[in-house]
Amino acid sequence: GDSVTQMEGPVTLSEEAFLTINCTYTATGYPSLFWYVQYPGEGLQLLLKATKADDKGSNKGFEATYRKETTSFHLEKGSVQVSDSAVYFCALSVADSGYALNFGKGTSLLVTP
Amino acid sequence: ETGVTQTPRHLVMGMTNKKSLKCEQHLGHNAMYWYKQSAKKPLELMFVYNFKEQTENNSVPSRFSPECPNSSHLFLHLHTLQPEDSALYLCASSLYRVGETQYFGPGTRLLVL
Repeated sequence: GDSVTQMEGPVTLSEEAFLTINCTYTATGYPSLFWYVQYPGEGLQLLLKATKADDKGSNKGFEATYRKETTSFHLEKGSVQVSDSAVYFCALSVADSGYALNFGKGTSLLVTP
Repeated sequence: ETGVTQTPRHLVMGMTNKKSLKCEQHLGHNAMYWYKQSAKKPLELMFVYNFKEQTENNSVPSRFSPECPNSSHLFLHLHTLQPEDSALYLCASSLYRVGETQYFGPGTRLLVL
């Protein structure tokens, strides 16, 4: 079945460090890929998305490129801030599964001053 | 008020109680969702409503009963819950059921004693 695998963390970085959170997927169709972020005490917010191979999603300094050849959608940011501390979820949706969002387990990120 | 709101934000209930969770979206969307978020587990899709019609029920126990009176409101009625049902319950909405970005509410933190 369709699934998403992401590093679980927690990931602890110093402010201004480079961030990579790995995400790989398995899908029978052609998925759309998403990164959602959940700040403490809040619901999930869409961070970025990509709907076809080689698309790059970007928002708030975060980027992720849809790599069909490696079935990956890794999240990157060049310089993290304390305010980026949150849980990050990779997700996919596929037409064959009725476009339901299928989430990874989430990666907790803590950025220290 | 904009976005997706959920009430109450926190709920403590005994196993014999009956309570309801409420979700309201002010985005003009036509699809609404209930998710369960438990510690150390991926988000679990529970129910999907599209144009007020339930289109998906992911083998959720009957002690959870959804209701969607209109496209803007979604309820989750709870009765005779178990302690393992303690979790964060998230509501989301999207413009249509098919392949659209989902917007999440802040969630209701439920504790079953």
